[in-house]
Parts: sequence; structure tokens; C-alpha cells
Amino acid sequence: DIQMTQSPSSLSASVGDRVTITCRASQTITSYLNWYQQKPGKAPKLLIYAASSLQSGVPSRFSGSGSGTDFTLSISSLQPEDFATYYCQQSYSTPRTFGQGTKVEIK
Amino acid sequence: QVQLQESGPGLVKPSQTLSLTCTVPGGSISSGGYYWSWIRQHPGKGLEWIGYIYYSGSTYYNPSLKSRVTISVDTSKNQFSLKLTSVTAADTAVYFCAREDIVLMVYAAWGQGTLVTVSS
Repeated sequence: DIQMTQSPSSLSASVGDRVTITCRASQTITSYLNWYQQKPGKAPKLLIYAASSLQSGVPSRFSGSGSGTDFTLSISSLQPEDFATYYCQQSYSTPRTFGQGTKVEIK
Repeated sequence: QVQLQESGPGLVKPSQTLSLTCTVPGGSISSGGYYWSWIRQHPGKGLEWIGYIYYSGSTYYNPSLKSRVTISVDTSKNQFSLKLTSVTAADTAVYFCAREDIVLMVYAAWGQGTLVTVSS
């Protein structure tokens, strides 16, 4: 199985801050990397697919980059509705695997 | 946005079989182009992929659960189902059904999730 490791596990930030989350795969996954946002009691929501493509309807303050084994999700100016947990997920091979999550909290 | 809907018992006794159904609106389950998936989330934890089925019936399961999992599809009812046998407290989780786009390989449609507790 491909292991996905996110860092940090949690972070505190203020509205307007730039936030960056890192995801590392245990082997190359080329660009088969997706990012999801999950709020308490809700299903995950797709933000970014294929490492850097913005899902329709997702605000442009979200962006993704990377290839191979190292990826980042950035939020350019954190908004109140962005406080949530973020997961990366590889779709390079089965079984699909997710990172352990990064919880973004209000400072 | 397509909204899937899970249904099934919220409480299952240890050693018994967990059974859940996911209803897909709009008759799209037979249209091809998607893998119909189950994903679970232990309380306060991350996401664990269980497996998927194609409308034709072909399946792939997570090796960690493969000996206990069966995913089936009923195209006439536009539903797919999960059975997990010999459950223990470690199977207590929120179970999500989700649709994976075969081309983009993303989960853009999910159910709201259903909590299944394993307890006597």
C-alpha cells in the first residue's frame, strides 16, 4: 500500500493568513493526488484533483502543487469557512489511501 | 451535485454482519464511468478505503479487510451494498458511500455518512 503522510497534523492560523499543508507519498504517485476538506459531521468535499486542478465551484484561494512524492495544498488568505480538516488522497493505485489529516484551527 | 444516501442499522452486535446500502439518485449506477465505493472513518480518525464495485459487478477490496468484505450492486434498484462479517468494536465507524470518477479518479459525490456502532 502507498502510505500518505501529512504535515503538520494540526495548525492554528488567523483569518487572512496564508496556510500551507504538505503531503508526502511513500512512493511516486506522479500527479495522482487529490485534496479534500472535511467539516465536523459532514462528508469530505473535493477541493483539488490531479495535484493542481481546482474542482469546479471551489474558491481560487485554494491551490495545489507537486508531483512524484511531495505535494502541497495552499490557502492564500484563510477565511472563517476554511477552518476544517484537510486530507490528501492518492489515486495512483489500489487500495486508495488517505493522509491522516491536517486540522486547521482558529488562532 | 449528486447526493448519495446510505441506509442500514446503526447498531450491530459483535461477531455479526454489518450491512449497509447506498442509493444512487437518477439511475446513473448503470451508466458506467464510475466506481461505487465504500469508505469509513473511525471516530475522530482519518479515512479508510474499504473497496469499490463497477456496475458490471467487478470489485476491488482493501487487502486489510478483504476476507470480511463483500460489495454488491443491484442495478434495478440503483443501489450498491456493503457487507462486513465478523465485526468487532474496531469496526465502529462512520461509513460513507462515494462515487469515484474513473477518468479523474476523484470522489466528487458522497453520501452523508452513517454511524455504525458495534456493541452488545
